[in-house]
Amino acid sequence: AQSVTQLGSHVSVSEGALVLLRCNYSSSVPPYLFWYVQYPNQGLQLLLKYTSAATLVKGINGFEAEFKKSETSFHLTKPSAHMSDAAEYFCAVSEPGGGNKLTFGTGTQLKVEL
Amino acid sequence: SAVISQKPSRDICQRGTSLTIQCQVDSQVTMMFWYRQQPGQSLTLIATANQGSEATYESGFVIDKFPISRPNLTFSTLTVSNMSPEDSSIYLCSVGRGASTDTQYFGPGTRLTVL
Repeated sequence: AQSVTQLGSHVSVSEGALVLLRCNYSSSVPPYLFWYVQYPNQGLQLLLKYTSAATLVKGINGFEAEFKKSETSFHLTKPSAHMSDAAEYFCAVSEPGGGNKLTFGTGTQLKVEL
Repeated sequence: SAVISQKPSRDICQRGTSLTIQCQVDSQVTMMFWYRQQPGQSLTLIATANQGSEATYESGFVIDKFPISRPNLTFSTLTVSNMSPEDSSIYLCSVGRGASTDTQYFGPGTRLTVL
């Protein structure tokens, strides 16, 4: 069975600082990995995904993530935080050949301070 | 991409009643999913709804409690039956094409409070 761990339920950064949100997976085979963002009172929106092509994936709004098989990680980064980045971020996995079913992590609430 | 709407956006219901949530997509899609997001928690998949067949429920979720309809390729409903306060959650529908690499597109959610 797959699982996803997001370390840090709340992360606070200053505007302009580096954003680092952590995601580790547990799976018998390397999964496909997704980062979604949820703004208040809205549904989830895809930021980026890893589907076994390039290990460094660039997404929308300046975010990127690197798949590291040796560390079973897929951490999300952004060089410079903006106030508009304040939201909840979810890491999710799907199993190759397992259809479109996603298993989500517990989420990380990102706060951006002036 | 897909544009998804849900009705109602929020509701407050009494214990023991039922609520049906609608999910409408602007294009035909293969798979529709229903998730529950309990307060302060992550998303948990309730079931997968395919057109023309019975929904597939995840462990811990049963059809009697969460009956689902999928009458066509653009519409689905989820009913939360015989509600209790523990059913207070956000319920989200999403759509996908069926492959493990596919992006799922999410609706805005239905915020349900059960008194």
